Amino acid sequence: QQPVQSPQAVILREGEDAVINCSSSKALYSVHWYRQKHGEAPVFLMILLKGGEQKGHEKISASFNEKKQQSSLYLTASQLSYSGTYFCGTGEDQSGGSNYKLTFGKGTLLTVNP
Amino acid sequence: EAGVAQSPRYKIIEKRQSVAFWCNPISGHATLYWYQQILGQGPKLLIQFQNNGVVDDSQLPKDRFSAERLKGVDSTLKIQPAKLEDSAVYLCASSLARSYEQYFGPGTRLTVT
Repeated sequence: QQPVQSPQAVILREGEDAVINCSSSKALYSVHWYRQKHGEAPVFLMILLKGGEQKGHEKISASFNEKKQQSSLYLTASQLSYSGTYFCGTGEDQSGGSNYKLTFGKGTLLTVNP
Repeated sequence: EAGVAQSPRYKIIEKRQSVAFWCNPISGHATLYWYQQILGQGPKLLIQFQNNGVVDDSQLPKDRFSAERLKGVDSTLKIQPAKLEDSAVYLCASSLARSYEQYFGPGTRLTVT
């Protein structure tokens, strides 16, 4: 079951904040966040494991609410380099980590303007 | 550290022709994935290898798609015969066994006319 991301697109001015949400109808083991710039490969941002952990990476952080089966990505004081499509991937650990399968959402297009 | 390598980067073929893509994962990464990314969509897993064994190919259209991973390193993905709906970017990714971070290659953009 593909996770649902919202919003589909967001436009910001440099320095503004944004939140991207990811929700699933299935119980989540983990949530991954990737950023993909046009014509490039997705780049790993962070992973959140069940337990409600909140992880951060510079001005990008994320939360994971296992009960609500939701994750949110927080972009603070956005920079021009943040522009791209953000994908969440929900993880299913099928056998102790060795068969780790990700199902990606459709993505959220983030545009940061000067 | 060298990243995931893929070739070719672009390929244009006519429907009913065959095509093959190649992937060389990051050295030491036991797990290799092939994804299909249609324009405007997220990557969709086609097949996952652990060393040279297949652990998940539930979404691979086996009547036309095939994949192998020789000696647990390089991998090839083949489509025969191709259909118009196969037009997409084919991404290869790899990860350390029992690790959760996947590293993607640049992808092969396939256009079927």
